Amino acid sequence: DTAVSQTPKYLVTQMGNDKSIKCEQNLGHDTMYWYKQDSKKFLKIMFSYNNKELIINETVPNRFSPKSPDKAHLNLHINSLELGDSAVYFCASSSQGSGNTIYFGEGSWLTVV
Amino acid sequence: AQSVSQHNHHVILSEAASLELGCNYSYGGTVNLFWYVQYPGQHLQLLLKYFSGDPLVKGIKGFEAEFIKSKFSFNLRKPSVQWSDTAEYFCAVILTGGFKTIFGAGTRLFVKA
Repeated sequence: DTAVSQTPKYLVTQMGNDKSIKCEQNLGHDTMYWYKQDSKKFLKIMFSYNNKELIINETVPNRFSPKSPDKAHLNLHINSLELGDSAVYFCASSSQGSGNTIYFGEGSWLTVV
Repeated sequence: AQSVSQHNHHVILSEAASLELGCNYSYGGTVNLFWYVQYPGQHLQLLLKYFSGDPLVKGIKGFEAEFIKSKFSFNLRKPSVQWSDTAEYFCAVILTGGFKTIFGAGTRLFVKA
């Protein structure tokens, strides 16, 4: 069983569309994250939720809206997609009990055309 | 400001050569340290981590890292690389008890067969 799973894995969409990426973890972790990796492989944190509460909200356009219905799920909705949103989006989770070691999902490759 | 620096952006080695990738951090406090590997087209996977104790930690696939507190460094080493070690390597740091893990910019390693 995949510990952190996200869907879809690949997403090609037109500018201006709205899309969502879903994430689920079965590790029993209390903290979940969204990271963005650009074409130069630079990894930047976007959001983090701890026990469904938003605790990290980096400088991200408000077109990006995370939602955590419960501790095991963290979804990312993106409105009015732009070319610059093309990237790989990684969901991740951690628990304080394991020193907040981050475990990543397999990534969602988003291409905006 | 908190930061993580990886000095080598690209490293090219021949098989059986020894590897050392540098990582320095700037944090005001006790930290947990990590190295992750990202194989082409895949997600980040944990190689090793340091929380406390013996500053020399061993990870998977023959990798090890040494924490030198006085130098704020956590360098990754492998005595003899293989072609299959070709990947991107990321150093990461989090304040102990914190939630925000900061990643370095990554080092791209290419091992020639």
